[in-house]
Amino acid sequence: DIVMTQSPLSLPVTPGEPASISCRSSQSLLNSNGLHFLDWYLQKPGQSPLLLISLGSNRASGVPDRFSGSGSGTNFTLKISRVEAEDVGVYYCMQALQTPRTFGGGTKVEMK
Amino acid sequence: QVQLVQSGAEVKKPGSSVKVSCKASGDTFSSYTFNWVRQAPGQGLEWMGRFIPVLGTAKYAQKFQGRVTITADESTNTAYMELSSLRSEDTAFYYCASHHSTWSSSLDNWGQGTLVTVSS
Repeated sequence: DIVMTQSPLSLPVTPGEPASISCRSSQSLLNSNGLHFLDWYLQKPGQSPLLLISLGSNRASGVPDRFSGSGSGTNFTLKISRVEAEDVGVYYCMQALQTPRTFGGGTKVEMK
Repeated sequence: QVQLVQSGAEVKKPGSSVKVSCKASGDTFSSYTFNWVRQAPGQGLEWMGRFIPVLGTAKYAQKFQGRVTITADESTNTAYMELSSLRSEDTAFYYCASHHSTWSSSLDNWGQGTLVTVSS
């Protein structure tokens, strides 16, 4: 199974400031079509997770453009250009290259 | 895109089984893959398995092999997850999450979650 490792575990943020979360996989998430099968999800308090970013850098429908994903191979990053209060919650990366799907342990983003 | 509505909370005894449903609407049911993800209290997300209606095939995480069965009923546009031999550690929210079988591999749509409590 592919092991996903996120950092940091907790991320205190200031509204209006940028934030960044890292995700590393135990093997490359690049497939034969040149796509990286890495997703980012946000679980707001008391809610189901929702898809933010697919294939490493594609924002899902309705996701604000302050969210961006980047990376390749085994190292990926989610960036929030200017954090807003509604962005608090737990962020998870997930590899979608193979089954079983595996998630990172999560990064809790909270306001300072 | 599909919308997913799950069945209500369950309280079960250790050793029993639970079957959670996930009703889809808004698009062609057989075009989607239905995954099940669980989240124990205060913990992260854990993929349990998935079912592809158009193929009629299921795949399970090794951890749940032999205890979980994921199926779908195209006549009612409903996916199911049954977990047997329940123990206290199975107390968790269980989420149904789907994606288009051809165009996506991401968990695009999520149900609201079903809390299963295992307690004597």
